[in-house]
Amino acid sequence: QVQLKESGPGLVQPSQTLSLTCTVSGLSLTSNSVSWIRQPPGKGLEWMGVIWSNGGTDYNSAIKSRLSISRDTSKSQVFLKMNSLQTEDTAMYFCARIRITTGFDYWGQGVMVTVSS
Amino acid sequence: DVVMTQTPVSLSVSLGGQVSISCRSSQSLVHNNGNTYLSWYLQKPGQSPQLLIYKVSNRFSGISDRFSGSGSGTDFTLKISRVEPDDLGVYYCGQGTQYPPTFGAGTKLELK
Repeated sequence: QVQLKESGPGLVQPSQTLSLTCTVSGLSLTSNSVSWIRQPPGKGLEWMGVIWSNGGTDYNSAIKSRLSISRDTSKSQVFLKMNSLQTEDTAMYFCARIRITTGFDYWGQGVMVTVSS
Repeated sequence: DVVMTQTPVSLSVSLGGQVSISCRSSQSLVHNNGNTYLSWYLQKPGQSPQLLIYKVSNRFSGISDRFSGSGSGTDFTLKISRVEPDDLGVYYCGQGTQYPPTFGAGTKLELK
């Protein structure tokens, strides 16, 4: 079955770079697209960006200058890198499969990232 | 960006009861291809969101027929009938018609 799992450091210092990995199983990244979505504590969902099945990317304009999404199809992994982290970036970070028809139909469990010195 | 406004912010329901959640978008969600990409998600406490409904009224795989979606253009509704304990959590509407995808702020469903 389709599964996604996020991994990465739980604590990042301000101004540093966040690196997260989403490992997928039950689907191929060459025919599926994956998004990153984050959720600050007690708040709503913010779409961050997507890597399409063809390898192209799109980003939320609010964070585009700081964000990069890439993948390694042979390892079934999608990567998120975001620089210049601030306390406002403290959030649960989710990866999810996105399909034009159904939206975000499979989600990972999420990884909590705290930005603090 | 398309702003999604959900009402109410919270809702109390008795087990076995019925509730409706409203979602309004700042722009029409009808895509150029004629489809309307409006979805509903449920986030249970301590869990990631799960897809319930896509394209306004289509239930995702394994979702009970107690959940139903309706609406068009800019106004949408999620109805939950015969509420069960496992239905409690925060419900979000989300749109994928215009990029970037955006979500409502959520409606918390609690037991009365």
